[in-house]
Amino acid sequence: KQEVTQIPAALSVPEGENLVLNCSFTDSAIYNLQWFRQDPGKGLTSLLLIQSSQREQTSGRLNASLDKSSGRSTLYIAASQPGDSATYLCAVRQTGANSKLTFGKGITLSVRP
Amino acid sequence: DVKVTQSSRYLVKRTGEKVFLECVQDMDHENMFWYRQDPGLGLRLIYFSYDVKMKEKGDIPEGYSVSREKKERFSLILESASTNQTSMYLCASTPSPGFYTEAFFGQGTRLTVV
Repeated sequence: KQEVTQIPAALSVPEGENLVLNCSFTDSAIYNLQWFRQDPGKGLTSLLLIQSSQREQTSGRLNASLDKSSGRSTLYIAASQPGDSATYLCAVRQTGANSKLTFGKGITLSVRP
Repeated sequence: DVKVTQSSRYLVKRTGEKVFLECVQDMDHENMFWYRQDPGLGLRLIYFSYDVKMKEKGDIPEGYSVSREKKERFSLILESASTNQTSMYLCASTPSPGFYTEAFFGQGTRLTVV
């Protein structure tokens, strides 16, 4: 059974810092890995999707990498801002005809002004 | 702009009531999912559907059922609501597995059972 882990559960950094959020998974038979952002009381917003054949994806100040063989992904946030404060979740989609998404529990990020 | 819409943002229901949570997507996606999210437990999969009238149990299906009569709509049913079903419920949709299968989520329904 796939397990997705995100450590630490919470992180607090000063504004302007570059930071890395980690995600690890146990089964490398995945179609893709997706990073989401969730603001309090809201749904999930997709940030980046990395296909299993890709190594990284970039969007603005965000860069996500994938090392499928070691079961790891990182989300890099450059020059963090208070508006980046949210919970960040990663999810993997298994291979197979009726595959489902498995989520980590998320990392709650607080960026201090 | 792609969209997954859940029928309610907030619901308050009484114990024993039958509760319907509705989810509609406009992207012609084959796969739809229902999750619940609780502090410390993360997102847990309740049910998913990979085609019209097809469904599969997720990790925590007890006390829930689902209906998918049309491709765009996936309903979650709480047969007899209980207080331990108070939670945030999230619906998602994706295309069938293939090259690019990004998942999209609705805005969530905060259900309180009293």
